[in-house]
Amino acid sequence: DTAVSQTPKYLVTQMGNDKSIKCEQNLGHDTMYWYKQDSKKFLKIMFSYNNKELIINETVPNRFSPKSPDKAHLNLHINSLELGDSAVYFCASSQVGGGEQYFGPGTRLTVT
Amino acid sequence: AQSVTQPDIHITVSEGASLELRCNYSYGATPYLFWYVQSPGQGLQLLLKYFSGDTLVQGIKGFEAEFKRSQSSFNLRKPSVHWSDAAEYFCAVGEGPNDYKLSFGAGTTVTVRA
Repeated sequence: DTAVSQTPKYLVTQMGNDKSIKCEQNLGHDTMYWYKQDSKKFLKIMFSYNNKELIINETVPNRFSPKSPDKAHLNLHINSLELGDSAVYFCASSQVGGGEQYFGPGTRLTVT
Repeated sequence: AQSVTQPDIHITVSEGASLELRCNYSYGATPYLFWYVQSPGQGLQLLLKYFSGDTLVQGIKGFEAEFKRSQSSFNLRKPSVHWSDAAEYFCAVGEGPNDYKLSFGAGTTVTVRA
C-alpha cells in the first residue's frame, strides 16, 4: 500500500498553461505539505495544511493554489506556468505538526 | 528561524568502509532533528529522528546519529556502507510540536565505490 501517492509522476507542459498535481495519503494524518525541489536538489516548503486549513504559505506566487478537499488529499494547482516552475514537487504528510513527515514519490514538472 | 548546514556536498566512500555525514543546525532551543535519504528518482525516506532523550538514536538500514547540543550538530553514521547506500542525504530541523515547517539542508551526495 502506498502511503503518500502523487499523480502524475511526470508532467511536461508549455509556458502559460495551467496544470494540477494531486496528492493523497492513506496514513490518517492530519497535516499535509507541498515542497519544491529545485535542480540543485534544494528542498523548500511551499504550503502546509492542518485539518484542511492552510497553516503555512511560504511566499509562494499566487499562481500556485493548494486545495484540500479533505484531510487525505492536498492538490496543487498552478496557473500560467513559467520556465522557473520546472522542478520536482513533493507532497508529504505527518500525524501532527512537528512530527516526522512521510513523502510521496514526487512529480517532475518540466515547463518548455 | 531555524537553519541547517550540511558542509559536505559530496562524499565518496568504499563499500564496507564507515560513513559519517555532518549536519549543523541553528536554533535557540532544542530542535526536532531528522535525517532523510533520497535514492535517485525517488521520494524522501526517513532514516531516523531526534526529539528528546537519549542523544544517540538508531535508525533504519543500520544508520545512527548523535545529537550534540554543545556543537549544534546531528551527524549521521554507518559503520559499514553497502553499495545500495549511494543516495542523497538530507538533514532537517524543526522547532518542535506544532511547527509545521521543516528546514532542510542542501544535501550530501554519497557515492559508493566497489
